[in-house]
Amino acid sequence: AQKVTQAQTEISVVEKEDVTLDCVYETRDTTYYLFWYKQPPSGELVFLIRRNSFDEQNEISGRYSWNFQKSTSSFNFTITASQVVDSAVYFCALSERNTGGFKTIFGAGTRLFVKA
Amino acid sequence: DVKVTQSSRYLVKRTGEKVFLECVQDMDHENMFWYRQDPGLGLRLIYFSYDVKMKEKGDIPEGYSVSREKKERFSLILESASTNQTSMYLCASSPPTLGTGRRELFFGEGSRLTVL
Repeated sequence: AQKVTQAQTEISVVEKEDVTLDCVYETRDTTYYLFWYKQPPSGELVFLIRRNSFDEQNEISGRYSWNFQKSTSSFNFTITASQVVDSAVYFCALSERNTGGFKTIFGAGTRLFVKA
Repeated sequence: DVKVTQSSRYLVKRTGEKVFLECVQDMDHENMFWYRQDPGLGLRLIYFSYDVKMKEKGDIPEGYSVSREKKERFSLILESASTNQTSMYLCASSPPTLGTGRRELFFGEGSRLTVL
């Protein structure tokens, strides 16, 4: 069965620190997709990144980077030089095929506080 | 921009009432989803649909039903609301996956339901 585990419930850092959010997943599928979403205090979830199971290349986008390792079933997210605006809840998600479509499940989320 | 609109931001209902939560998307997306979000539990999938009149149970379908009569509209129904259904309900849609590999979800603002 699918499962996504985000072991860190809350993380608090001071501005300009680097922070890594952990995500471990379980799946029986060989084809799947992994995601990170951000939920700022305003509430609406925003898509950040998608990775498919055949692409283990790490990705960097500005201050954000993602490390996908199939060997450890992990998809970790690092924010470099954190800013107050990064304060949010971050969700890792896993999508698998299901009947005629696909099913996406989420981890419990990690709340990040960035203090000025 | 994709727009997912949920009909009500806040609702207060009484135990035993029938509750309708409406969701409309304007991007001709095939896939639509209903989640509930509770503190410490993340987002849990209630139902999803990959086509008109098609529906699939998610991880926590008990006490809920759905309707998808038109492609753009996906309704969540609580036949007889109970206090343990007090939660934030999130609707999402996703573009066609065939040939694109895209499965990212676009979320509405959420409907906070309180059942007294």
